Amino acid sequence: GNSVTQMEGPVTLSEEAFLTINCTYTATGYPSLFWYVQYPGEGLQLLLKATKADDKGSNKGFEATYRKETTSFHLEKGSVQVSDSAVYFCAPLNTGRRALTFGSGTRLQVQP
Amino acid sequence: DAGVIQSPRHEVTEMGQEVTLRCKPISGHDYLFWYRQTMMRGLELLIYFNNNVPIDDSGMPEDRFSAKMPNASFSTLKIQPSEPRDSAVYFCASSGPLGEAFFGQGTRLTVV
Repeated sequence: GNSVTQMEGPVTLSEEAFLTINCTYTATGYPSLFWYVQYPGEGLQLLLKATKADDKGSNKGFEATYRKETTSFHLEKGSVQVSDSAVYFCAPLNTGRRALTFGSGTRLQVQP
Repeated sequence: DAGVIQSPRHEVTEMGQEVTLRCKPISGHDYLFWYRQTMMRGLELLIYFNNNVPIDDSGMPEDRFSAKMPNASFSTLKIQPSEPRDSAVYFCASSGPLGEAFFGQGTRLTVV
């Protein structure tokens, strides 16, 4: 089955710093890839997605590129804000098995 | 659409009691998922349905847990009898043809 490895958190940054959260996955075939974000006390929200190799997903200043050769889908943002403080989850999805497999999540703390 | 709706948002119950969690998926979505989130184990997939039929229940921890989906707009997750180790946040999610899952706000269960 699918598996995901995310960088350990928490990641602590100052406001306006550059963010990278690493994600590598193992999956059969060519899954779709997703990043979800969870704010305190809330459910997971879809942040961005990519469905095929070299696709770049983007939303709210966040970006991630589907890298088939390295089986990676790293999340980046050029300038983080305090409001970006949350837990971020990477997840591949195979068309055969429709359930998302989540990584352990990476907590981001942005300080003013 | 109001999104995935879960009830109750919080549940406190005594050990040994029956607990029923409820979920209304997004209209038109044909997949429904139940996840459990704890600090120790992260996000675990318990069971998922396709067109109201259970597809994979291998994540259900034991026979005390059961899930049903009597129609396309309603699902329940039941724990009987409940135990303190069942304390967690339980999420319901649904997805449509694009595969991206939409999550409810979760039910925080505390078993004392």
